[in-house]
Amino acid sequence: EDQVTQSPEALRLQEGESSSLNCSYTVSGLRGLFWYRQDPGKGPEFLFTLYSAGEEKEKERLKATLTKKESFLHITAPKPEDSATYLCAVKETSGSRLTFGEGTQLTVNP
Amino acid sequence: GAVVSQHPSRVICKSGTSVKIECRSLDFQATTMFWYRQFPKQSLMLMATSNEGSKATYEQGVEKDKFLINHASLTLSTLTVTSAHPEDSSFYICSAKRTGQETQYFGPGTRLLVL
Repeated sequence: EDQVTQSPEALRLQEGESSSLNCSYTVSGLRGLFWYRQDPGKGPEFLFTLYSAGEEKEKERLKATLTKKESFLHITAPKPEDSATYLCAVKETSGSRLTFGEGTQLTVNP
Repeated sequence: GAVVSQHPSRVICKSGTSVKIECRSLDFQATTMFWYRQFPKQSLMLMATSNEGSKATYEQGVEKDKFLINHASLTLSTLTVTSAHPEDSSFYICSAKRTGQETQYFGPGTRLLVL
């Protein structure tokens, strides 16, 4: 059974304080790992898709990396508007469904 | 981009009535759409997968006669909550996937409150 564990559950940062969110996963075969951002009362907003170990993708202050066991979402010099819940999900090679982690709630204080 | 819309964004109904939620992919064709439910402070729970022109596949524990899903075109899927009860109150979110691609794009969600 696919498993996705995100840590920490919650993270408070000061504006400009860089950090990383972790997503550990167990799948029989990885078809893709996905990062989303979700604001309160809204649907998840797509950030990145990673397909194979060693792959990295960047967008503004965010950078996602992937190994065979985990993915990191690095946030560089965060701003208050980066405050949100960040969700990680995996899709295995034999299925179409996403398995989500419980998310990391990020708060960036000014 | 890949834009998915949902309508309505919020609905309040009386117990026993039925509610229909629409999910549209605005700028791409989606052979597969997904319906999720999300409780406060929890992650998304997949309810069903719908493929255009065929019956939806429901997750274990989801009543197919209560949550009717129709995916009649490549850009529209609907979820009808039949005979809604207060315990059906939740945040319902759809997603859509482009044919041949893996990424799911999510709609903004529909907040359902059953009184």
